[in-house]
Amino acid sequence: DAGVTQSPTHLIKTRGQQVTLRCSPKSGHDTVSWYQQALGQGPQFIFQYYEEEERQRGNFPDRFSGHQFPNYSSELNVNALLLGDSALYLCASSQAAWSYEQYFGPGTRLTVT
Amino acid sequence: AQSVAQPEDQVNVAEGNPLTVKCTYSVSGNPYLFWYVQYPNRGLQFLLKYITGDNLVKGSYGFEAEFNKSQTSFHLKKPSALVSDSALYFCAVRDPYSGAGSYQLTFGKGTKLSVIP
Repeated sequence: DAGVTQSPTHLIKTRGQQVTLRCSPKSGHDTVSWYQQALGQGPQFIFQYYEEEERQRGNFPDRFSGHQFPNYSSELNVNALLLGDSALYLCASSQAAWSYEQYFGPGTRLTVT
Repeated sequence: AQSVAQPEDQVNVAEGNPLTVKCTYSVSGNPYLFWYVQYPNRGLQFLLKYITGDNLVKGSYGFEAEFNKSQTSFHLKKPSALVSDSALYFCAVRDPYSGAGSYQLTFGKGTKLSVIP
């Protein structure tokens, strides 16, 4: 049973560019959440997708957007990258109906130069 | 708004000794509480959760945690530490009744556990 997978593993971008990160949820899960983990900090909630719609959003600017596909996979898009966007981006999946905990992928390390 | 505090940046314990990693929380209603562990350059692994019921919950790898509503705490414990337990530990809270914040996990800053051989 595959867990949560994310791609790419690492990414280097330049300020002002745009980036897309991808996530496939754990089998049987229909809900995907995205978190940003800056160095030395705990993960911070960006948003959650359920039934292909953004169900909840954290305190992040509109430069951060997402999408969920019919197969429950998800993308995180960040526009107009800033140096401060450098972080580990974590995807977590859960099953809306019965699962309380979220299962995390290995993350994508984004470096903005 | 929900929040989590992990008062210790680092905890050092000798192998074989009991360990405790502290966590306190703040929510408006009854919380869902979680512990996760993160190894270097890895994502977070779920250890255990408290949703309702018995205040002492048992989880993976011999870890347990005690929910104390009066002290708003959810400390992680293990009777006998292993060197392989050395990692970064995160406490997280979810307030399912908060409306706007009801689905998100709010994490503490993490506690680095070092188990000394």
